[in-house]
Amino acid sequence: GAVVSQHPSRVICKSGTSVKIECRSLDFQATTMFWYRQFPKKSLMLMATSNEGSKATYEQGVEKDKFLINHASLTLSTLTVTSAHPEDSSFYICSARGDIQPPDVAQYFGPGTRLLVL
Amino acid sequence: GQNIDQPTEMTATEGAIVQINCTYQTSGFNGLFWYQQHAGEAPTFLSYNVLDGLEEKGRFSSFLSRSKGYSYLLLKELQMKDSASYLCAVVDSNYQLIWGAGTKLIIKP
Repeated sequence: GAVVSQHPSRVICKSGTSVKIECRSLDFQATTMFWYRQFPKKSLMLMATSNEGSKATYEQGVEKDKFLINHASLTLSTLTVTSAHPEDSSFYICSARGDIQPPDVAQYFGPGTRLLVL
Repeated sequence: GQNIDQPTEMTATEGAIVQINCTYQTSGFNGLFWYQQHAGEAPTFLSYNVLDGLEEKGRFSSFLSRSKGYSYLLLKELQMKDSASYLCAVVDSNYQLIWGAGTKLIIKP
């Protein structure tokens, strides 16, 4: 149990284009989903927290108009990087939390999406 | 402020035992997680401690002392595949995860 998928696993795009990343909880209902980014050899950085049916809560310094998050259902959240630039190149990881099993505060991670903006 | 401290890097020998420490200062406490992250991959759940004491799970054990704001992850019979980063994370009073920077563990033959 507690499987989270992420799609795509890897994407290369041109500067100025938008990229959508999907995060799905496959065998449980995710009341809360989290989006992280991670630069090489650096720690996870929480970007935003989203609860199903409500607006995402963004961390300080994260532009909500640039990183659009939609949590339309209990099993799907999407992150759209709008007008991507080379500095947005990073490893984006989602995680999901739900009342699936003890501990229900655990976050289960998707496999991550590696974004390269040329 | 909230703070999680763990060593940046550790080196150990295959077959040996290693202990990775984590100290924390957070606004409230609702448990502590250890995650393993291999290079280029997402973190995977290892353990969760919310009460004081030692939790053993195979070759891995995790210890917690809430009064000392301290935890450690103990890895026994080290294997080359254990080379990874180990992340300590604390659940604060708002049920948010506060992440440490991770400890890179290098296993040598």
